[in-house]
Amino acid sequence: EPEVTQTPSHQVTQMGQEVILRCVPISNHLYFYWYRQILGQKVEFLVSFYNNEISEKSEIFDDQFSVERPDGSNFTLKIRSTKLEDSAMYFCASSGGLAKNIQYFGAGTRLSVL
Amino acid sequence: RKEVEQDPGPFNVPEGATVAFNCTYSNSASQSFFWYRQDCRKEPKLLMSVYSSGNEDGRFTAQLNRASQYISLLIRDSKLSDSATYLCVVNTEGGSTLGRLYFGRGTQLTVWP
Repeated sequence: EPEVTQTPSHQVTQMGQEVILRCVPISNHLYFYWYRQILGQKVEFLVSFYNNEISEKSEIFDDQFSVERPDGSNFTLKIRSTKLEDSAMYFCASSGGLAKNIQYFGAGTRLSVL
Repeated sequence: RKEVEQDPGPFNVPEGATVAFNCTYSNSASQSFFWYRQDCRKEPKLLMSVYSSGNEDGRFTAQLNRASQYISLLIRDSKLSDSATYLCVVNTEGGSTLGRLYFGRGTQLTVWP
């Protein structure tokens, strides 16, 4: 069964450092998303991406965040200067085909900012 | 304003029990409705989509009432493997946007032997 894959599974970084979280969406999907979940809280939308541009972003997705599809398979989330409060689980999702409203999630990257 | 609100739980039930989860959403423009389940420290996994006509998948039945902006999930004959957090999720896609999923905080279910 096709799946969304994310790397790394766990990223530890120092405050102020840049991190790049990587995702490989399901191969025939065209719509890509990032969400985050702070420990003990609900899953929150960050950004959606289609046709090589951002479709929508939330108030969380400020200038410190950026997304990119550098090639035909990867979708990345960059945080330029991490803050302690960026510590969370980051989930990539993709959708497409006949049911583009159904989003499938990767296993996530746990980001720990020290 | 909370977009999606769910029963706070937790629910602790014996195997074989029937358990119901409820959810309300605030945005009347919401287009799609789902129940996801999330195991501890794992990703959300789609359990089922929810339709106005109601839909059933084995032991699971979901209902949507657009007028009341209310969504429900019923699990019959609970199994130990049903233990998880159940997330009520709505999507506001439409127009020029892909839409975004709004998640409830989830209701934790523990099924005991």
